[in-house]
Amino acid sequence: GQNIDQPTEMTATEGAIVQINCTYQTSGFNGLFWYQQHAGEAPTFLSYNVLDGLEEKGRFSSFLSRSKGYSYLLLKELQMKDSASYLCAVRQYGNNRLAFGKGNQVVVIP
Amino acid sequence: DVKVTQSSRYLVKRTGEKVFLECVQDMDHENMFWYRQDPGLGLRLIYFSYDVKMKEKGDIPEGYSVSREKKERFSLILESASTNQTSMYLCARSEGVHPYEQYFGPGTRLTVT
Repeated sequence: GQNIDQPTEMTATEGAIVQINCTYQTSGFNGLFWYQQHAGEAPTFLSYNVLDGLEEKGRFSSFLSRSKGYSYLLLKELQMKDSASYLCAVRQYGNNRLAFGKGNQVVVIP
Repeated sequence: DVKVTQSSRYLVKRTGEKVFLECVQDMDHENMFWYRQDPGLGLRLIYFSYDVKMKEKGDIPEGYSVSREKKERFSLILESASTNQTSMYLCARSEGVHPYEQYFGPGTRLTVT
């Protein structure tokens, strides 16, 4: 089985930087995905890590440490539209299934 | 822009009714998935399919079945709807090649009364 943990909620100020953590336990790790989900909408794909290190995509960066079972998503220059739930998902070797965490609700305030 | 469409955004059904939720993708992708999403429980996988006429149980298949007669269409069936199946249902598809990221449809909010 897989176990994925994320903090439930955080509040941050517009223009700030926020780090969203995800820890996981799984056998046969084969990639970690981050998704953004606005209220009432479907999740949208943000980033993918399979090797250790940092992947940068504009204002969003994602980091992975496989030995620690740990990832984070970094959001820079926060904007009000970044208020959303951020989901971490893990894939195992040998299948195309994703196991999702429960999501971290980020609230951006002026 | 790849699209995944679901037949309804909102649906209200009565207990005991048979319910069909349809999902259609506009690409030739093999893998399709059905999830439900509930507050505090996150996204949970119900069923998935790697190809036409193939299906695999996810983590919570009880009370559901699926059908995949054509590659682009994956249907979720509630044989006899119950109130505990009130939820947001999300369909997703992914390519059969690395990194297999999943793309979601808009979701169907089903209420069973």
